[in-house]
Amino acid sequence: QVTLRESGPALVKPTQTLTLTCTFSGFSLSTSGMCVSWIRQPPGKALEWLARIDWDDDKYYSTSLKTRLTISKDTSKNQVVLTMTNMDPVDTATYYCARIPPHDGYNFDYWGQGTLVTVSS
Amino acid sequence: QSALTQPASVSGSPGQSITISCTGTSSDVGGYNYVSWYQQHPGKAPKLMIYDVSNRPSGVSNRFSGSKSGNTASLTISGLQAEDEADYYCSSYTSSSTLVFGTGTKVTVL
Repeated sequence: QVTLRESGPALVKPTQTLTLTCTFSGFSLSTSGMCVSWIRQPPGKALEWLARIDWDDDKYYSTSLKTRLTISKDTSKNQVVLTMTNMDPVDTATYYCARIPPHDGYNFDYWGQGTLVTVSS
Repeated sequence: QSALTQPASVSGSPGQSITISCTGTSSDVGGYNYVSWYQQHPGKAPKLMIYDVSNRPSGVSNRFSGSKSGNTASLTISGLQAEDEADYYCSSYTSSSTLVFGTGTKVTVL
């Protein structure tokens, strides 16, 4: 059974760095073709893709946010970590992690429940 | 990378068919058969409905179907039901090896 769960602070102050952890089970990020992405959704707005890390440690970032994002993985702990620097109120959103399965294109077949992050002083 | 363009809203009566469009460019939708569609009910995580343009995951109703022509992908819901009322998002792989979502479409069952 595949599950993903996001964790991190619910509230961060402007200019601070956000660190989110995605803890997953039911699959291994060392399996060839496996990937995990982070996606966010501001309240009442559309989904926005943020970053992806692949089984071979290749990393890809949203063009508009790449200077602020870092994605990493700890395969032994089944975790993927996203850091976002210089947080601003416009970064208030629900942050999701999702799995991209191997060999089936680039789709998100399993999602975490999401974690709401509010940026406010 | 600009968001893919979707209509803000689509509505239909129970039993009818509706189609949601997702327009991109030759660098995303038009360049790859890696378009997927997601259904999101309020307060819930998105759910994969269609992947690789027209494939349905196990457990998804065959009332949902996908297609693509040029730079535009489409999701069709046939035999519309009350439970189909939700937001729908398309997504595509891009030439930069990134991914991009659509602007989202609210489906209303009249």
